[in-house]
Amino acid sequence: DTGVSQDPRHKITKRGQNVTFRCDPISEHNRLYWYRQTLGQGPEFLTYFQNEAQLEKSRLLSDRFSAERPKGSFSTLEIQRTEQGDSAMYLCASSWRGGPNNEQFFGPGTRLTVL
Amino acid sequence: AQSVTQPDIHITVSEGASLELRCNYSYGATPYLFWYVQSPGQGLQLLLKYFSGDTLVQGIKGFEAEFKRSQSSFNLRKPSVHWSDAAEYFCAVGFYQAGTALIFGKGTTLSVSS
Repeated sequence: DTGVSQDPRHKITKRGQNVTFRCDPISEHNRLYWYRQTLGQGPEFLTYFQNEAQLEKSRLLSDRFSAERPKGSFSTLEIQRTEQGDSAMYLCASSWRGGPNNEQFFGPGTRLTVL
Repeated sequence: AQSVTQPDIHITVSEGASLELRCNYSYGATPYLFWYVQSPGQGLQLLLKYFSGDTLVQGIKGFEAEFKRSQSSFNLRKPSVHWSDAAEYFCAVGFYQAGTALIFGKGTTLSVSS
């Protein structure tokens, strides 16, 4: 068990550019979550996968955001045409169906800065 | 709507003193309750969780929390704070149906003075 990993850890981009983040969950976990955390706030839910199926999306996930988990393992979160308001920490978490319900293990996050 | 409130934005405690961080939730059903800690630049680490049973739960690093259904509270406590406990603490609520999102409070920043 190597934990949840995220790449990159930091990303600086210019407004209008596209960015993509990757999350590798704990290997036996079949549920994967994306959260966004802005300064002074707790994490806010964005979306959730069970295996490769995206089962829930938050209203925060505008049409510029897209997430995939093509083989039910790693996931990517893409933001198109970034805006300064997208600057935040993007956290990934995973959990195991059948385990202690909803215990989510978090990765270190990707900090996005949009200039 | 479901919500989690952490009334204290920032708390300063002397090293060796006791600590209590407050958490109240608004939720219609039996919640799953969590406390996470986040150090600067780090992800979230689970301190403890409550699903059912004994309302006083023990966690890592000497933390405990008590679930009080009548008060809709899940306060975090530690009898003696160490300087390394300085961090941000988040209370979170999970839905009964496994696998859905956690709702987090805005967090309490703990500073420890010597």
